Amino acid sequence: AQSVSQHNHHVILSEAASLELGCNYSYGGTVNLFWYVQYPGQHLQLLLKYFSGDPLVKGIKGFEAEFIKSKFSFNLRKPSVQWSDTAEYFCAVNAGSNSGYALNFGKGTSLLVTP
Amino acid sequence: DAGVTQSPTHLIKTRGQQVTLRCSPKSGHDTVSWYQQALGQGPQFIFQYYEEEERQRGNFPDRFSGHQFPNYSSELNVNALLLGDSALYLCASSPTFRASGANVLTFGAGSRLTVL
Repeated sequence: AQSVSQHNHHVILSEAASLELGCNYSYGGTVNLFWYVQYPGQHLQLLLKYFSGDPLVKGIKGFEAEFIKSKFSFNLRKPSVQWSDTAEYFCAVNAGSNSGYALNFGKGTSLLVTP
Repeated sequence: DAGVTQSPTHLIKTRGQQVTLRCSPKSGHDTVSWYQQALGQGPQFIFQYYEEEERQRGNFPDRFSGHQFPNYSSELNVNALLLGDSALYLCASSPTFRASGANVLTFGAGSRLTVL
């Protein structure tokens, strides 16, 4: 079955530490890839997306992600986290080609950044 | 402001009852999708509406049904509620439907349903 795996369910970092959140998917063929963030008490917001082209994509608030097709991965990175990055992070995959806008989400990673 | 508005924000129902949730898409968007987010889980796709028709459906039983109106707003109906239907129900809108899926969803804040 097609699936999206986020390896880290809970991550605790100190401010200024580097962040990498893993995301792997099991789809073959063309995919569209997304990272969404949910800050406490707020709605899901798009951090960044990959549709095609340069596999290194930059998003808002200093986040970036790299699409590695051979590894079926789309890991999220940030060189230096801030307390305001405390949130739930979701990786999502759309299997392209006639799948409309259906997104398959991972279970999420809860990030806590301590001062 | 998400641009996507959902109502009600919270509601409590008992097993066997029926519920209707409502969604108004972001201005300029004509495609609406619904997702269920159980506690501690990622959102799960329920179905998607475009041009007042259900275009795609996830792995949810027929108890879950929907509707899209000419003004692009949408409703999600759940019949014969079960305890397991307790969740946050998210509505997401997007610009004109593309089969490739290469488009971005804007999510609402959700309707939290508790079934007792």
